[in-house]
Amino acid sequence: QQQVKQSPQSLIVQKGGISIINCAYENTAFDYFPWYQQFPGKGPALLIAIRPDVSEKKEGRFTISFNKSAKQFSLHIMDSQPGDSATYFCAAIGALGGGFKTIFGAGTRLFVKA
Amino acid sequence: EAQVTQNPRYLITVTGKKLTVTCSQNMNHEYMSWYRQDPGLGLRQIYYSMNVEVTDKGDVPEGYKVSRKEKRNFPLILESPSPNQTSLYFCASSYSSGTGGKNGYTFGSGTRLTVV
Repeated sequence: QQQVKQSPQSLIVQKGGISIINCAYENTAFDYFPWYQQFPGKGPALLIAIRPDVSEKKEGRFTISFNKSAKQFSLHIMDSQPGDSATYFCAAIGALGGGFKTIFGAGTRLFVKA
Repeated sequence: EAQVTQNPRYLITVTGKKLTVTCSQNMNHEYMSWYRQDPGLGLRQIYYSMNVEVTDKGDVPEGYKVSRKEKRNFPLILESPSPNQTSLYFCASSYSSGTGGKNGYTFGSGTRLTVV
């Protein structure tokens, strides 16, 4: 019930293409859904986040689409660039079992070919 | 510079030898948390702290201890490390407890621990 399933595990996209990463969650108690970007040797950094009362959020080339009824959300990277090559993690955050839990997906390694 | 500092960056130890990984933040953040990162499993929360003297278990707390005696420090203690605790560990903090707020969690650079 606390899992967040992320796909694909890895993704190769041509420069200028669209990168799409999908996540699905099970527990409706989650109410905050961020995406983190991680470069090799670094800690993750927040990219963009959404709450379930909104179906889409866009920041520059990055867009989150959120489907509350399906309990799914996705990250779209438009005009993908080689500098976007990194590992991306979705997460679901909410009050669960008396505490505040953050559950990350397994991650997607994105490689953008020049 | 606003940051989360973890030490050490790399550590090789033997089974059963107690160790502590330190974490310190200079942003006056209330919320701090520890994660372990393993291939194919992503980041899994070990413990978190909403404020001084307030700590709670994450998803994988077994074999770990934490303490939050001061706002800036949140050490991770392995009383009797075992090989299955070999992993990459991250400490994170945020001003807004729980979600990380508009800036999200600030992560340290990681500690790669090997237990032989």
